[in-house]
Amino acid sequence: GDSVTQMEGPVTLSEEAFLTINCTYTATGYPSLFWYVQYPGEGLQLLLKATKADDKGSNKGFEATYRKETTSFHLEKGSVQVSDSAVYFCALRLGGGGADGLTFGKGTHLIIQP
Amino acid sequence: GAVVSQHPSWVICKSGTSVKIECRSLDFQATTMFWYRQFPKQSLMLMATSNEGSKATYEQGVEKDKFLINHASLTLSTLTVTSAHPEDSSFYICSATGTVSYEQYFGPGTRLTVT
Repeated sequence: GDSVTQMEGPVTLSEEAFLTINCTYTATGYPSLFWYVQYPGEGLQLLLKATKADDKGSNKGFEATYRKETTSFHLEKGSVQVSDSAVYFCALRLGGGGADGLTFGKGTHLIIQP
Repeated sequence: GAVVSQHPSWVICKSGTSVKIECRSLDFQATTMFWYRQFPKQSLMLMATSNEGSKATYEQGVEKDKFLINHASLTLSTLTVTSAHPEDSSFYICSATGTVSYEQYFGPGTRLTVT
């Protein structure tokens, strides 16, 4: 079946460090790929997405590129801030419509120290 | 905009009783709502998909008679856990998609503890 694998956390970095959170997927067909972020006490929020191979999603300084050849969608940020501390989920969706659910990775807890 | 709320945020119930969790889209009409379940240190697992006025579609392995889903209006879906047992203790999260885009908006989740 379809699945998403992302690096286990917690990941602890110092402020202004470079961030990479690895995400790989297994899917039949051509999924759309997503990164969601969850801040304490809040619901998941869409951070960025890519719908086809070689697309790059970007938002708030975060980037991820849809790599079909390596079935990956790694999340990167050049300089993290304390406010980036949260849990990050990589996810895929097979269908292109609003009636299709998401398949999530286990989440990566990111801790940024000042 | 695009806010989804859940109520309650935390509930404790005794084994054998039923508990209802509400999911509301506060500022948009949700044509489709999803229910997910999350165990500690595990990913969110899709339980079911519901469309307003239709029966929910359950994922393989999810007992539809145990997890009753009702999507009676474009702003409200409910999940009822019937005859709850300790193994049903989990974090339940809903999401909703509207009529404009296919983005899913998530509620903050409900933690269910069955004693």
